[in-house]
Amino acid sequence: GAVVSQHPSRVICKSGTSVKIECRSLDFQATTMFWYRQFPKQSLMLMATSNEGSKATYEQGVEKDKFLINHASLTLSTLTVTSAHPEDSSFYICSARDRPRSNQPQHFGDGTRLSIL
Amino acid sequence: GQQLNQSPQSMFIQEGEDVSMNCTSSSIFNTWLWYKQEPGEGPVLLIALYKAGELTSNGRLTAQFGITRKDSFLNISASIPSDVGIYFCAGGAGNMLTFGGGTRLMVKP
Repeated sequence: GAVVSQHPSRVICKSGTSVKIECRSLDFQATTMFWYRQFPKQSLMLMATSNEGSKATYEQGVEKDKFLINHASLTLSTLTVTSAHPEDSSFYICSARDRPRSNQPQHFGDGTRLSIL
Repeated sequence: GQQLNQSPQSMFIQEGEDVSMNCTSSSIFNTWLWYKQEPGEGPVLLIALYKAGELTSNGRLTAQFGITRKDSFLNISASIPSDVGIYFCAGGAGNMLTFGGGTRLMVKP
């Protein structure tokens, strides 16, 4: 149980392109999903918390107009990197919890490797 | 963002040896989680700890939630080559997780 699917697994695109990444909870409903970014040989850094039916909460230093988050249903959150540039190249990982504010741990997707040329 | 202090940063051990890694924090957490990440994949949950002092095992893995709620350790007994990867601790408070810097484990057959 508690499977999180992330798509696509890898994206290579030109600078200036906008890229959408999907995160789905397959066998549970997730009112809260999380988006992380991970640079090579570093830990996961939380970018934003995605709340179903309301605006996302962004961490300090993360541009909300650059990283658009939509959580329109209990099983899907999307992250759109708008007008991506080479410095946005990173490994983006989503996670979800089964039921909000509970002790259920976060389960992670397999990540999306974004490479901007 | 805030990180937990995780050590060691890397370990290169012989197959069959036991492994120990730990995380410490200046903040109190309500849960401690241990994840393993392999190249190009997302973290996979290994053990979740919910009570101070709790000691939990998952096969060859054992983890403990420190009594002060500010630390946790993970032990791996009798390591095997497939234990290779990066192990992350994560402290949970409310809805949020804070991650350690990771321990890169390499196992020599």
